[in-house]
Amino acid sequence: DGGITQSPKYLFRKEGQNVTLSCEQNLNHDAMYWYRQDPGQGLRLIYYSQIVNDFQKGDIAEGYSVSREKKESFPLTVTSAQKNPTAFYLCASSIPGIDTEAFFGQGTRLTVV
Amino acid sequence: DAKTTQPNSMESNEEEPVHLPCNHSTISGTDYIHWYRQLPSQGPEYVIHGLTSNVNNRMASLAIAEDRKSSTLILHRATLRDAAVYYCILIDGTTDSWGKLQFGAGTQVVVTP
Repeated sequence: DGGITQSPKYLFRKEGQNVTLSCEQNLNHDAMYWYRQDPGQGLRLIYYSQIVNDFQKGDIAEGYSVSREKKESFPLTVTSAQKNPTAFYLCASSIPGIDTEAFFGQGTRLTVV
Repeated sequence: DAKTTQPNSMESNEEEPVHLPCNHSTISGTDYIHWYRQLPSQGPEYVIHGLTSNVNNRMASLAIAEDRKSSTLILHRATLRDAAVYYCILIDGTTDSWGKLQFGAGTQVVVTP
């Protein structure tokens, strides 16, 4: 079945450590996105990529980095520069355009202690 | 970006219809109205979208006011599985950044057996 896979589902890290969240899709979508969600809040865009080897900052990119070396993969690294990294992280993909929909993964819940 | 306003929460009895309002008084002529929903601890899923005309699909109906300043998502017969946060999102159809979804806090739908 086609879809988006995020791993792991739960992740614990010590403060000051970088951590990379995985996002893989087999939908053959060109565009991929990373969102962050804090408790009781809506999603906020971190980074997005509309084509391989290209990506743009979203609204809250500080403290995060991404790469897009393959169409199906868009990993997100949460660096030690991110002041409040504990959150629910969601990856999405889509066919570029407006008359279509975004598909989301099941998310990774990151806890930094 | 045009903003949307939704009630914080709504309650419904199982098998009753649910009408979820969304106000978007500053909507532009090229903004599409999209609805997503998010079940607890899951990624959002697409529900429906429209531009000017009312829309129906297997999940719901979307009724758009004639002046497009408001819209209503209609769940025809609520089930316990419809308990989720519902997001109303405007997407500018003139740009290529449609996938940069601007999530608000949404409406929490509670379904009572």
